[in-house]
Amino acid sequence: AQSVSQHNHHVILSEAASLELGCNYSYGGTVNLFWYVQYPGQHLQLLLKYFSGDPLVKGIKGFEAEFIKSKFSFNLRKPSVQWSDTAEYFCAVREYGNKLVFGAGTILRVKS
Amino acid sequence: DTGVSQNPRHKITKRGQNVTFRCDPISEHNRLYWYRQTLGQGPEFLTYFQNEAQLEKSRLLSDRFSAERPKGSFSTLEIQRTEQGDSAMYLCASSLAPLGWGSGNTIYFGEGSWLTVV
Repeated sequence: AQSVSQHNHHVILSEAASLELGCNYSYGGTVNLFWYVQYPGQHLQLLLKYFSGDPLVKGIKGFEAEFIKSKFSFNLRKPSVQWSDTAEYFCAVREYGNKLVFGAGTILRVKS
Repeated sequence: DTGVSQNPRHKITKRGQNVTFRCDPISEHNRLYWYRQTLGQGPEFLTYFQNEAQLEKSRLLSDRFSAERPKGSFSTLEIQRTEQGDSAMYLCASSLAPLGWGSGNTIYFGEGSWLTVV
């Protein structure tokens, strides 16, 4: 079964700083990858997803992620964070049956 | 609101009692999933249904847990003889069934039901 590692559990940034959150999954082959975000008091929402094609995926709110097959990675990036990006971010890989395996999450706090 | 709806949102129960959570998926979605999330962890898969059929159960789902989706619409998750270790958020999600590997349909999550066992 797949497992997902997220490198940092807590990240603190100032507004306008660049963001990169690491995500690695355990084994290769065809993978479907996702980043979800959970804003305080809200439900998990999909930020972006990769199924095939261009390994650079653009999502909502200016986020993007790059799939690097050789590194089993799917890192999330944003060039300039805002205070409203404060949230918990989860990387996930899809397993057979369309169920998702999640990482432990990264809590991002953006200081205004 | 046409998203995934869960209730109750919060439940505090005494150890040994039974609890039941309900999930109403997005209406046209034929797949329904249950996940559990504890503090500091990502959601962990428990079980999923396609229509009324329960297709997979995680080994996390002990015999005290039972999930149903009797008419292929809403689902219930019952925990019998609750233990303190059952304290967690129980998340429901729904999607359309994927057409094949790589086609994938977005999985939409509800707000979750918090369970505290005291």
